[in-house]
Amino acid sequence: KQEVTQIPAALSVPEGENLVLNCSFTDSAIYNLQWFRQDPGKGLTSLLLIQSSQREQTSGRLNASLDKSSGRSTLYIAASQPGDSATYLCAVSSNTGNQFYFGTGTSLTVIP
Amino acid sequence: DAGVIQSPRHEVTEMGQEVTLRCKPISGHDYLFWYRQTMMRGLELLIYFNNNVPIDDSGMPEDRFSAKMPNASFSTLKIQPSEPRDSAVYFCASSLILGSPYGYTFGSGTRLTVV
Repeated sequence: KQEVTQIPAALSVPEGENLVLNCSFTDSAIYNLQWFRQDPGKGLTSLLLIQSSQREQTSGRLNASLDKSSGRSTLYIAASQPGDSATYLCAVSSNTGNQFYFGTGTSLTVIP
Repeated sequence: DAGVIQSPRHEVTEMGQEVTLRCKPISGHDYLFWYRQTMMRGLELLIYFNNNVPIDDSGMPEDRFSAKMPNASFSTLKIQPSEPRDSAVYFCASSLILGSPYGYTFGSGTRLTVV
């Protein structure tokens, strides 16, 4: 069974810093990888999706990379803002694309 | 489209009562997923449907849980009888096609508390 790990579990940074969140997975036979944001008491908002054939995706201040062979993905957030404070989850889909396996998330706090 | 719609947003019930959670997927999405989120185990897939047919229910914790999808625009997750350990946030998600390049869209969840 695919296992997804996110490190660190919690991160606190001052406003303006660039930061990297890590996601690792045990089975490299994936279909795609998706990064989500979850605000307290809310649902999941999709941030970026990387197909297995891609190396990275960018959206605004966010950049996600994927290295299938090593089973790793990173989410880079540039010039962090207090509004970025949330829990960030990565999810890896099976090679048939019919199941997502979620990491336990990284709780990010950006201090003004 | 209004996205994936779940109801109720919050549910508090007494142990032993029946609980029904509802989900309306995005129109045209062929896949519907039910997830449960707890602090201990994170997000777990309970069951998913393709074209209203249950495909994989191996994540359903026990017989007290059942899910149906009577049509393409509606699904229910029922717990009968409910127990305090069922307290969690239950999410519904839908996807356009298998292995959709657009990933999954999640609803806002139902926070269930069983006392």
